[in-house]
Amino acid sequence: DADVTQTPRNRITKTGKRIMLECSQTKGHDRMYWYRQDPGLGLRLIYYSFDVKDINKGEISDGYSVSRQAQAKFSLSLESAIPNQTALYFCATSDLTRNYGYTFGSGTRLTVV
Amino acid sequence: RKEVEQDPGPFNVPEGATVAFNCTYSNSASQSFFWYRQDCRKEPKLLMSVYSSGNEDGRFTAQLNRASQYISLLIRDSKLSDSATYLCVVKSGAGSYQLTFGKGTKLSVIP
Repeated sequence: DADVTQTPRNRITKTGKRIMLECSQTKGHDRMYWYRQDPGLGLRLIYYSFDVKDINKGEISDGYSVSRQAQAKFSLSLESAIPNQTALYFCATSDLTRNYGYTFGSGTRLTVV
Repeated sequence: RKEVEQDPGPFNVPEGATVAFNCTYSNSASQSFFWYRQDCRKEPKLLMSVYSSGNEDGRFTAQLNRASQYISLLIRDSKLSDSATYLCVVKSGAGSYQLTFGKGTKLSVIP
């Protein structure tokens, strides 16, 4: 099994719908992140969490919310999806005690029509 | 000035060629540096960390120049399987939570 698992892998949804993207990890890392990637714009941070009680906004949090249900689970919600939220979404984890960078999930390709 | 800048490419090189990618970063307090590799529609994966003294991993060599705020990645004897986008990544501060990603340089190795 993958260290960082994202579900669903692909999703098509309609404008105005609420959608949740889920992320779970088996690495035991405290820190979890949500990024979106758009062509030509690179990876942009949406939200991050240092532990279950610590949630922080990233550079593009508007229109998104998150929930850290447990150390191993971090979900991203789009309350009312809009077409410009069509993107590839990645969850990532990291461990402060090790300087090995991030481990990414396989991504969720979201299309809002 | 953008925090992490890379030449987007694409770099189209023949098999066996040597290719170099460059990256500049704006935050002089940055302390950790990485190269990630991303295949099309896949997640980024850590290729190698970059150390001040420079480091090598097989055909890959990474260099850091703190004075110029410049990072490089050299790939020797390019293989078809090296075709991917290479992301320059910077972390600022020992306790920093966040990696800053460059937009990536696309490499295509041609038979």
